[in-house]
Amino acid sequence: EPEVTQTPSHQVTQMGQEVILRCVPISNHLYFYWYRQILGQKVEFLVSFYNNEISEKSEIFDDQFSVERPDGSNFTLKIRSTKLEDSAMYFCASSEALLAQGTQPQHFGDGTRLSIL
Amino acid sequence: GQQLNQSPQSMFIQEGEDVSMNCTSSSIFNTWLWYKQDPGEGPVLLIALYKAGELTSNGRLTAQFGITRKDSFLNISASIPSDVGIYFCAGQRGGSEKLVFGKGMKLTVNP
Repeated sequence: EPEVTQTPSHQVTQMGQEVILRCVPISNHLYFYWYRQILGQKVEFLVSFYNNEISEKSEIFDDQFSVERPDGSNFTLKIRSTKLEDSAMYFCASSEALLAQGTQPQHFGDGTRLSIL
Repeated sequence: GQQLNQSPQSMFIQEGEDVSMNCTSSSIFNTWLWYKQDPGEGPVLLIALYKAGELTSNGRLTAQFGITRKDSFLNISASIPSDVGIYFCAGQRGGSEKLVFGKGMKLTVNP
């Protein structure tokens, strides 16, 4: 069964450094998402991406965050200058189409654990 | 805001028992989803609900989309040890792509 894959599984970074998290969405999916989950808390939406542009973002997704689809398969999340509070699990998700259209829902990868020291 | 209140927060049951959990919101959602998360993994979709009143089953799982569109429940029948994990409800509003998640329900099944 097709799946969303994320690399690395664990990233340790010094505070203030840039970090790039990588995702390969399911191949025929058109909508891509990033969520994060701080340890022991609920999953929170960061951003959605369609047709090579951000379609929706949350308050968490400030100027320190950016997303990119550099080629036909990868979808990346960059944090420019990491802070201690950025430590969390970051999940990539993809869907074939918008839920509002009653089609396929979002499928999640296994996440990247980001630890900021 | 678009918060989802999920209850209970945790349950300890014996193998073979049924378990029920629900999510409520003060806002209307167009879609309700139920996910299960195992340690170190991402949420895995269990059931998706698209219409108010819809009742959907997936094996031993049954979920319903509330008539008011402000709530949903998930039942697991005849639990087995591999049902252990954290169950999340998630809602999606019309015109928005984001999923709003509940805080999760941690299920422990004693063999």
